Amino acid sequence: SQQGEEDPQALSIQEGENATMNCSYKTSINNLQWYRQNSGRGLVHLILIRSNEREKHSGRLRVTLDTSKKSSSLLITASRAADTASYFCATDALGGSYIPTFGRGTSLIVHP
Amino acid sequence: DVKVTQSSRYLVKRTGEKVFLECVQDMDHENMFWYRQDPGLGLRLIYFSYDVKMKEKGDIPEGYSVSREKKERFSLILESASTNQTSMYLCASSSWAATDTQYFGPGTRLTVL
Repeated sequence: SQQGEEDPQALSIQEGENATMNCSYKTSINNLQWYRQNSGRGLVHLILIRSNEREKHSGRLRVTLDTSKKSSSLLITASRAADTASYFCATDALGGSYIPTFGRGTSLIVHP
Repeated sequence: DVKVTQSSRYLVKRTGEKVFLECVQDMDHENMFWYRQDPGLGLRLIYFSYDVKMKEKGDIPEGYSVSREKKERFSLILESASTNQTSMYLCASSSWAATDTQYFGPGTRLTVL
């Protein structure tokens, strides 16, 4: 069963704009991660945020975590055509197995 | 550079055939996973292994089996392929020291006719 759900399912923007994707989850977590998947390829780990963290940055990526709302957001600033991909959140449930549970993903298209 | 490789990028098989999907990782990871990915359903865990010769069922193990004879290699077996097993299959690995970060292979797109 899905723990995390991304929103929106699809997002289309122009190069240079910011892209924001959200992830909501159901149960308490140890950490939350974001992955990227280019079309027809495997997933690539982008960033991990732990339950005691509120914000994390990595290059043009900014991730926030609100454990009271059980939600996270991924912001990509100054997007590029190469950012076109699907983005997935994955949660590691508190007290659960060590295996991350993936959402269905947000499909991002960045038009040049 | 970490690497997870899968034996085929594309595979076409006929209904009833036995299918082997192989995955190899060079990171000395203890944990290995097989997922299938279908449109609108996201990633679903088929089987995972946390050690050589050990295996655990995931969310959708029916119709599949796995083999892990060596630490670096994890095979997914479709004993008798069916059309509803047409999908993208993704292999991943992780270490016990960092179980929360998985490294994925490029995927195998399997079509069963």
